[in-house]
Amino acid sequence: AQSVTQPDIHITVSEGASLELRCNYSYGATPYLFWYVQSPGQGLQLLLKYFSGDTLVQGIKGFEAEFKRSQSSFNLRKPSVHWSDAAEYFCAVGGDRDDKIIFGKGTRLHILP
Amino acid sequence: GAGVSQTPSNKVTEKGKYVELRCDPISGHTALYWYRQSLGQGPEFLIYFQGTGAADDSGLPNDRFFAVRPEGSVSTLKIQRTERGDSAVYLCASSQRGATLYNEQFFGPGTRLTVL
Repeated sequence: AQSVTQPDIHITVSEGASLELRCNYSYGATPYLFWYVQSPGQGLQLLLKYFSGDTLVQGIKGFEAEFKRSQSSFNLRKPSVHWSDAAEYFCAVGGDRDDKIIFGKGTRLHILP
Repeated sequence: GAGVSQTPSNKVTEKGKYVELRCDPISGHTALYWYRQSLGQGPEFLIYFQGTGAADDSGLPNDRFFAVRPEGSVSTLKIQRTERGDSAVYLCASSQRGATLYNEQFFGPGTRLTVL
C-alpha cells in the first residue's frame, strides 16, 4: 500500500540552526515525491519535488531534499532556519500514473529565538 | 495573479444538515482536486475532476459526499446529513492539466467545517 511516514510530530530548533525533517515512503513503483509547507491561515505551498534525475533537489526558501531509494527516504533539510520557517511540513508521494497525492501526517516545526 | 479561492472560510452547521463548499480554481486550470484534512492529519484525497467530469472519486468516504463541476471551472463539494466526524478543513487544489502529478497542484486556503 502507498503511504508516507513522518516520524516526528513536532521538531524544535533554534533560529540559525540547521534542520532536517524525516520522511519515509512506501510506493510500488517509481515515486514522485513532494514537500509542502502549511502556514497558519494559508494554503499548502509546494517547497520542492522529485520526479527523476539528480537525487538532491533544491526548492524555494533555501530548502533542499535528498531522495535515497535504498532507504525509501526523502528528508528535507535547511542549513539555517529563520523564525518565519515555523509552520507545518508535509511530505507526500505519488506516481507517474497517479492522479492523487498521498500525504504524511506532517511535522510541526517550532523555532526558538 | 489570483490563486485558488474557497468559500466560505468557515462553516458551522448542526448534525444532520446539508452543506455546500465552493472552490474557484486558478483561471485556465483544467484539473481540480478536493482533499480533507482532519485535525492532526495530512490532507486526504477525496475527488479529482478533469474538466467537468469526475475522473477519480475513489476518496469520497460514502454517498453523503458529492461534488460537481458543471462548467469545468467552479466546483462545489456537497455533504448531506452531516455528522460530527465530517468536521475538518476541506482543501481544494487546481493544476493546469491533470492525469499526471507532473503538473503542480496549487492549493486554496481551505474551508473549516465544524459540525456541532
